[in-house]
Amino acid sequence: NAGVTQTPKFRVLKTGQSMTLLCAQDMNHEYMYWYRQDPGMGLRLIHYSVGEGTTAKGEVPDGYNVSRLKKQNFLLGLESAAPSQTSVYFCASSYRQNQPQHFGDGTRLSIL
Amino acid sequence: AQKITQTQPGMFVQEKEAVTLDCTYDTSDPSYGLFWYKQPSSGEMIFLIYQGSYDQQNATEGRYSLNFQKARKSANLVISASQLGDSAMYFCAMRLPGLGSNYKLTFGKGTLLTVNP
Repeated sequence: NAGVTQTPKFRVLKTGQSMTLLCAQDMNHEYMYWYRQDPGMGLRLIHYSVGEGTTAKGEVPDGYNVSRLKKQNFLLGLESAAPSQTSVYFCASSYRQNQPQHFGDGTRLSIL
Repeated sequence: AQKITQTQPGMFVQEKEAVTLDCTYDTSDPSYGLFWYKQPSSGEMIFLIYQGSYDQQNATEGRYSLNFQKARKSANLVISASQLGDSAMYFCAMRLPGLGSNYKLTFGKGTLLTVNP
């Protein structure tokens, strides 16, 4: 009963490096989301997708790119990591927009 | 602008007592949804309860209930018979309809609940 799986769970990068966070869901959900969580700020939406092949910007999209080539996977990319992107990243999915989102366990990312 | 406000940074409750976590929201859109999530110290986000703006009755899920007062724009979470395992951060969130740049799922800053034995 995997639900939403995020890899990796932890990562340390140097400024300027690139990396991709992977999110996979096995619930056949149409909607997928990437959030970042910073201390004292709750969750903020980075990008989201309403179906395979579609992506859209959320509240804080700058510095990130996403792709949804397969329905079950949603990738979050950092092309040139910056210290301001140090955060905990959560992926979530839902069957429809107005239904509860199921979250992964998060990825703790540190940019030095 | 849409906003979610949780005014209680931290709350304490005695085990087996009930506790209310406050959430107020601000929107001019008549159609919206309100969610509560729990985040234990282990970090995962757990969905608790949902209330739609057109729902006639307050949502309930086991020991969780949502005190929805539409005119006051409040959606407080009530936890009955608190348990030690309820100690966690609790987030209120609001979803508005629309796609693209109109999509909004806004989270409050959270309330840290501590249940004392």
